[in-house]
Amino acid sequence: KAGVTQTPRYLIKTRGQQVTLSCSPISGHRSVSWYQQTPGQGLQFLFEYFSETQRNKGNFPGRFSGRQFSNSRSEMNVSTLELGDSALYLCASSLVPGSQETQYFGPGTRLLVL
Amino acid sequence: AQTVTQSQPEMSVQEAETVTLSCTYDTSENNYYLFWYKQPPSRQMILVIRQEAYKQQNATENRFSVNFQKAAKSFSLKISDSQLGDTAMYFCASQVSSGSARQLTFGSGTQLTVLP
Repeated sequence: KAGVTQTPRYLIKTRGQQVTLSCSPISGHRSVSWYQQTPGQGLQFLFEYFSETQRNKGNFPGRFSGRQFSNSRSEMNVSTLELGDSALYLCASSLVPGSQETQYFGPGTRLLVL
Repeated sequence: AQTVTQSQPEMSVQEAETVTLSCTYDTSENNYYLFWYKQPPSRQMILVIRQEAYKQQNATENRFSVNFQKAAKSFSLKISDSQLGDTAMYFCASQVSSGSARQLTFGSGTQLTVLP
């Protein structure tokens, strides 16, 4: 079974621009979560989607948004990019959003904001 | 709120030796799950092992095993017969569901270097 895929793998943007990242979960997985990883803040939860609905959201400004499609693929969008948004963005999928469900991660998208 | 603490930012071990990485956590939930993930230089987050909090038996996965002490809220990872490929950042994490919200909380990580 193919793993979680994320596109693009690397991205360079300038301040003020917006960016869209994509995540395709493992086949059959319907829950997708997004995390931001930075050297200073570590791994922080952004949001989780299941059945095209956002179920949970972390403590991030409204510039960070996401959505999920009927095939469970998910996108996250960051508008009005700031230098501090430079990070590795990780997507994880699981069968359903239960605490007993292991989340499997994609390779990440490395975003650099100049 | 959940917290996960890893007090060892860096560790090293000689190839073929055994090393233990420490982790403590705090949660008010009764039903939770604990994980160790590794992140090698490729940055891919890979599941190493998971432990159900309701199980007293410690999880094992080949050379990897945990020492789960529920009362002490401790969840350490033991790597036996360390290999060069074990060099990675290791993250301890706890996962709970509260209502409809499920969240995976990570520790700050321990950078493990296996020396030849």
